[in-house]
Amino acid sequence: ETGVTQTPRHLVMGMTNKKSLKCEQHLGHNAMYWYKQSAKKPLELMFVYSLEERVENNSVPSRFSPECPNSSHLFLHLHTLQPEDSALYLCASSPYRAHNEQFFGPGTRLTVL
Amino acid sequence: QKEVEQNSGPLSVPEGAIASLNCTYSDRGSQSFFWYRQYSGKSPELIMSIYSNGDKEDGRFTAQLNKASQYVSLLIRDSQPSDSATYLCAVTSNYGGSQGNLIFGKGTKLSVKP
Repeated sequence: ETGVTQTPRHLVMGMTNKKSLKCEQHLGHNAMYWYKQSAKKPLELMFVYSLEERVENNSVPSRFSPECPNSSHLFLHLHTLQPEDSALYLCASSPYRAHNEQFFGPGTRLTVL
Repeated sequence: QKEVEQNSGPLSVPEGAIASLNCTYSDRGSQSFFWYRQYSGKSPELIMSIYSNGDKEDGRFTAQLNKASQYVSLLIRDSQPSDSATYLCAVTSNYGGSQGNLIFGKGTKLSVKP
């Protein structure tokens, strides 16, 4: 595997479900990011991890919970989501927090029923 | 709120023409500027980065930066139908706790007609 991978690629869940999104980067980077992309809106930064430490939590509702067990893996735990949370969730990585060339994974298309 | 503005398009150009994509940003302290290409249903792909005023060329792509005017552009020469995509402009934030974060525009949809 090369680059940034994400699983699952598609997810349909009910509002009472709990699910997790997984991201893995094979680039040796030290910073990882979660973004939300909704139609007609710019990419929204959700969380930033640098050297496994969360450095940014962009006023994201608590129903989204990130986890970064090591510099190669990033998770986004989801629970009691709302239909308006349906979107493309993108993971990205960069060499360091201040080195802004970010490389994206393929994304998880999430639908909340 | 720091912003990045792009014309949403669609921008339609004939095959072989030059496509010109423009972006303005509000954070005067921004230092790094990026262009991403996003095909429909796919994730953004980094195609150009520029850090200093002037032009930067890479193959058919040229990025232009004017920090005084807070303006960055992307030129695509000899446009091909495969260039049809949405192009996202991204700028680093120099603002407080968000310093270093990328701020994205909504993107410009480019259509290259054969």
